[in-house]
Amino acid sequence: SQQGEEDPQALSIQEGENATMNCSYKTSINNLQWYRQNSGRGLVHLILIRSNEREKHSGRLRVTLDTSKKSSSLLITASRAADTASYFCATDAGTGANNLFFGTGTRLTVIP
Amino acid sequence: NAGVTQTPKFRVLKTGQSMTLLCAQDMNHEYMYWYRQDPGMGLRLIHYSVGEGTTAKGEVPDGYNVSRLKKQNFLLGLESAAPSQTSVYFCASAGAPLSAGELFFGEGSRLTVL
Repeated sequence: SQQGEEDPQALSIQEGENATMNCSYKTSINNLQWYRQNSGRGLVHLILIRSNEREKHSGRLRVTLDTSKKSSSLLITASRAADTASYFCATDAGTGANNLFFGTGTRLTVIP
Repeated sequence: NAGVTQTPKFRVLKTGQSMTLLCAQDMNHEYMYWYRQDPGMGLRLIHYSVGEGTTAKGEVPDGYNVSRLKKQNFLLGLESAAPSQTSVYFCASAGAPLSAGELFFGEGSRLTVL
């Protein structure tokens, strides 16, 4: 399977702290994406990082990509209670395929 | 702008019954997808379409059929439901190949097969 694996499976932090989630994958990729899912809702795209990029920022989000280690991290700074959700990484299969392979997610709980 | 809309949101079926899930998008996207989400499994692709009139199999296509007669609609059918098809189903669309772009998801359809 080309599925990504997130680590940790669950994370609980206090409001205002930073949250870091990691993703490892198995094959070469064109891009890696992070999605967020609130309980009982659909997934929402957060950020896309291409294979030739090493770091990307979007608001309080910082994503890094290390293609040599086949890993990525998502950092949420100054967390808020509203950040409580599950976070998924997803990778394409490299050239030609038309699918995103999702990991099993990290469940983040931000305690007010 | 509604984005991606799925109907119904909830459904309970008995084993052997059939049903169709409807997905509609108003973003003029070429690409549409059906995923299922099961606990501890992440999302897995069932079928997808790269344009009106086209369909293709994903990772877990068995027991499902799809049709894309209109660009804005992507239907997922279960001909003879089985308890193993109890899941949350998500439709998604994209305006570009996934090697370059992102997915836009619906809110999900929760199906229980008894």
